Amino acid sequence: EVQLLESGGGLIQPGGSLRLSCAGSGFTFSSYAMSWVRQAPGKGLEWVSVISGNGGNTNYADSVKGRFTFSRDNSKNTLSLQMNSLRAEDTAVYYCAKGAGGSSYFSLDYWGQGTLVTVSS
Amino acid sequence: DIVMTQSPDSLAVSLGERATINCKSSQSVLYSSNNKNYLAWYQQKPGQPPKLLIYWASTRESGVPDRFSGSGSGTDFTLTISSLQAEDVALYYCQQYYSTPITFGPGTKVDIK
Repeated sequence: EVQLLESGGGLIQPGGSLRLSCAGSGFTFSSYAMSWVRQAPGKGLEWVSVISGNGGNTNYADSVKGRFTFSRDNSKNTLSLQMNSLRAEDTAVYYCAKGAGGSSYFSLDYWGQGTLVTVSS
Repeated sequence: DIVMTQSPDSLAVSLGERATINCKSSQSVLYSSNNKNYLAWYQQKPGQPPKLLIYWASTRESGVPDRFSGSGSGTDFTLTISSLQAEDVALYYCQQYYSTPITFGPGTKVDIK
């Protein structure tokens, strides 16, 4: 059974940093691209970033480019999203999601339960 | 960036009746070399993460009831629930994965009339 478990969310002041993690199990982790998708309270889904199965390629939404860094450790089946220079508009539930293939050109077939990030003073 | 739009914003349908949601992309998401539309549909219930229903515009994900179907090509797509059940009350999103940034539609809320 595929499982994705996010952690690391919390309350952080504007300008601060936070590191989210996602642990995957139940599938061959290194074979699949992974994404982060966020959802602000009461709003729709916003894609944040994708990383290829081997970790060699990443892409980011313009809204986070230069502030967020997405990485993976295939030896530990874990993902990390380093978020710097956080803004109020980054407040959201952050989901990690498994791609149905090794690149960004696939749908997202499994999602974690999400972790809430609140940026506020 | 490919902009995704959905219509209607919300709809209310009687139990057992058909629900139809439309999705339009600002440019084609059909990749000519493999004739695949890079379009997916997701269902999200309150307090839950999204769930993949349909990918490649018309392929039903394993375990998804066959009352859900997807159609369309190029820039215009439709999700149809052939006979609405109470458990189908949710938000529905379309998504293109043809190019980054990956983009989602704004969502359509489906309720019981």
